[in-house]
Amino acid sequence: LAKITQPISMDSYEGQEVNITCSHNNIATNDYITWYQQFPSQGPRFIIQGYKTKVTNEVASLFIPADRKSSTLSLPRVSLSDTAVYYCLVGAMGGGATNKLIFGTGTLLAVQP
Amino acid sequence: DTGVSQDPRHKITKRGQNVTFRCDPISEHNRLYWYRQTLGQGPEFLTYFQNEAQLEKSRLLSDRFSAERPKGSFSTLEIQRTEQGDSAMYLCASSRDTKGAYGELFFGEGSRLTVL
Repeated sequence: LAKITQPISMDSYEGQEVNITCSHNNIATNDYITWYQQFPSQGPRFIIQGYKTKVTNEVASLFIPADRKSSTLSLPRVSLSDTAVYYCLVGAMGGGATNKLIFGTGTLLAVQP
Repeated sequence: DTGVSQDPRHKITKRGQNVTFRCDPISEHNRLYWYRQTLGQGPEFLTYFQNEAQLEKSRLLSDRFSAERPKGSFSTLEIQRTEQGDSAMYLCASSRDTKGAYGELFFGEGSRLTVL
């Protein structure tokens, strides 16, 4: 199973771009990488998912290098409401894969005015 | 609201009592997951169902824990003879069956258990 680590916390200011990294050295060939956002007393919410290179949606970008041993979530122009814990999740489904989806240690992003 | 509902949202019980949590996933989702989250930690995988079949169980799921998903719809997670170490948020998530990628997990708001 992949061991997944993230920085414990990050600080930013409104309007800045924030990049949060995740290390997953033991990622398996079939594993995908997903990022989730979690506010206190709520379940995690999906942000973005990718397998390799770059993925972009309306709220974030995900950068995955060729060796796939790390990934970076990029949040453009953060606002106060982006203050939350961000988790990366690594795993795969089906085809003999483990079906266990493992969360990283989480990064608390604090956005200041 | 993600469409996944969990009940009860909060449960306070005394050590040694049994508790049961219920999860109602999004209706067309055939995959259902249970996670446990303690304060300041990321969610830890407990178990996974595809339809009514329980396909994966974590070693965290001791013999005091049992999960079911009859008829592949709602699921229950029962903890027998609760211990103080069982105090946590129990999260349920569901997803569609997708080839390769596991797709987006839709989480409920969780059931918070406090064991006195």
